[in-house]
Amino acid sequence: GAVVSQHPSRVICKSGTSVKIECRSLDFQATTMFWYRQFPKQSLMLMATSNEGSKATYEQGVEKDKFLINHASLTLSTLTVTSAHPEDSSFYICSARVPVSGANVLTFGAGSRLTVL
Amino acid sequence: AQTVTQSQPEMSVQEAETVTLSCTYDTSESDYYLFWYKQPPSRQMILVIRQEAYKQQNATENRFSVNFQKAAKSFSLKISDSQLGDAAMYFCAYRRSSSGNTPLVFGKGTRLSVIA
Repeated sequence: GAVVSQHPSRVICKSGTSVKIECRSLDFQATTMFWYRQFPKQSLMLMATSNEGSKATYEQGVEKDKFLINHASLTLSTLTVTSAHPEDSSFYICSARVPVSGANVLTFGAGSRLTVL
Repeated sequence: AQTVTQSQPEMSVQEAETVTLSCTYDTSESDYYLFWYKQPPSRQMILVIRQEAYKQQNATENRFSVNFQKAAKSFSLKISDSQLGDAAMYFCAYRRSSSGNTPLVFGKGTRLSVIA
């Protein structure tokens, strides 16, 4: 089946540094990917929609200068948390639509747990 | 904006018994999709079942079935013959149908415990 590979699965960084998370569609092309954030024991909140070859669309309240999204190819989207602070610590998950006729299913990466010290 | 409501933060079920998780949603759209996703402790999101709004027949996937009531905007999940591996967080999700790509909107989730 269609797989979305997300790396790293866990990352610890110091406050003020930047962290990049990659999301790759392994056996299909994803013109659009979605980035979600999940706090402990809470639901997934959409952060932004990543579109190949164009600017990402951010949800209200998400700082686009802090969460940089780049979708440079049909199989790769990256989320960079810039100047990370402890409050950015969270679980970040990407997803992409599987382009199978009639499926309309989003498949998810395994997620990345970010801890900012 | 579309919203998804799961009114049961936690549920428990005896192994081999049946449990129903509730979900309601609000939308002004007529064409959309509904999903149940499972999130085990690994936190990998796993699709359990999906329903197209234009289909009147309730979806089923082995031990999992839904009760889709479009007029009431209700979409409950029934798990039959519950197994220990069913213990997880379950999220109800809505997706607007469009020619482009639209994201999932999630409910707050229901944590299901299975008692041996």
